[in-house]
Amino acid sequence: KQEVTQIPAALSVPEGENLVLNCSFTDSAIYNLQWFRQDPGKGLTSLLLIQSSQREQTSGRLNASLDKSSGRSTLYIAASQPGDSATYLCAVPSGSARQLTFGSGTQLTVLP
Amino acid sequence: EAGVAQSPRYKIIEKRQSVAFWCNPISGHATLYWYQQILGQGPKLLIQFQNNGVVDDSQLPKDRFSAERLKGVDSTLKIQPAKLEDSAVYLCASSPKTGAIYNSPLHFGNGTRLTVT
Repeated sequence: KQEVTQIPAALSVPEGENLVLNCSFTDSAIYNLQWFRQDPGKGLTSLLLIQSSQREQTSGRLNASLDKSSGRSTLYIAASQPGDSATYLCAVPSGSARQLTFGSGTQLTVLP
Repeated sequence: EAGVAQSPRYKIIEKRQSVAFWCNPISGHATLYWYQQILGQGPKLLIQFQNNGVVDDSQLPKDRFSAERLKGVDSTLKIQPAKLEDSAVYLCASSPKTGAIYNSPLHFGNGTRLTVT
């Protein structure tokens, strides 16, 4: 059974810092990995989807990397802004790739 | 395009009462999911529909939870009777794809926050 873990559970940084969020998974036979953002009281918004054949995927100030062999992914956020404050979750397909299994998320606070 | 609509946004009930949540997916999306997200945890799948058929309900507590998707469009999730541990956000998501979701984006609604007292 696939298990997804995210460390740290919470992170607080001053504005302008570069930061890294971590995601690990137990079954390396994944098709892809997604990073989502969740704002308080809102649903989830997909940020990046990185295929198993890729090592990196970039969108603006966000960069996601994937190392299947070690069961790890990182989300790098450059020059953080208060508007980046949210919970970030990673997820991988499971159940014959019909569903997503989520980590518990990292709650990020960027202080102005 | 309009997003996934869910109602109500908030619900407070006493334990042993019943409650129902409604979801209207994006038009044309064949697959619909209900997730339960307990505070501080990631979403956990409760049930997955493909059109109006159930694909996976292995994690649905069937003694108290039920769900249906009539005519392959809207869906309702019901809890009867509710327990304290059912306090959570219930998220509905839809996808245009069926079968494997290798590259298919999931579109999430804003959820219904349930508090059981």
